Amino acid sequence: DQQVKQNSPSLSVQEGRISILNCDYTNSMFDYFLWYKKYPAEGPTFLISISSIKDKNEDGRFTVFLNKSAKHLSLHIVPSQPGDSAVYFCAATVYNFNKFYFGSGTKLNVKP
Amino acid sequence: DSGVTQTPKHLITATGQRVTLRCSPRSGDLSVYWYQQSLDQGLQFLIQYYNGEERAKGNILERFSAQQFPDLHSELNLSSLELGDSALYFCASSVDGYGAQPQHFGDGTRLSIL
Repeated sequence: DQQVKQNSPSLSVQEGRISILNCDYTNSMFDYFLWYKKYPAEGPTFLISISSIKDKNEDGRFTVFLNKSAKHLSLHIVPSQPGDSAVYFCAATVYNFNKFYFGSGTKLNVKP
Repeated sequence: DSGVTQTPKHLITATGQRVTLRCSPRSGDLSVYWYQQSLDQGLQFLIQYYNGEERAKGNILERFSAQQFPDLHSELNLSSLELGDSALYFCASSVDGYGAQPQHFGDGTRLSIL
């Protein structure tokens, strides 16, 4: 049973525009969410996180939005750059529970 | 460079065999996690160790086992291998595994079962 879902396997965006990556979850117990970026032949790299007590967290060009009622989070990248081309995974956990549930990833292609 | 080292990078073996994957965590990290990523799938959490002790368990098969040694490196043992075990296996580490600390991932071991 997949508790974290990324329904868009891929996304293509023009350089300079906004990239919006979406993630849905089913477990209402999740209270902490993370985004990771993965380049080919490398392991995932932590990007940004958000606690369920917030609905927005921003770090430079990256902003994560959390809609608890819809069990939905999104990652906004503005402006998008070619170097952002990678696979993006969202992950969810229950704080202190130590099990992290990952989505299947969205491959972002930023075209110059 | 995440500081997490996984060996080997690639492993090719046959069904029924047994393999050991090795992970050295980032310096100072006490907690190690193992994940399996099958083709076009997300990362599936297998198991977590903290300072030598098992802390959390995911959907790890009984044919799989892991341990964390006193020097904090960890090994994932896969036995009676089946074709479906072909996957990327990632190790990650974090400082102490409390809260929801971001994990630092190694580059993975690609296991191919022929």
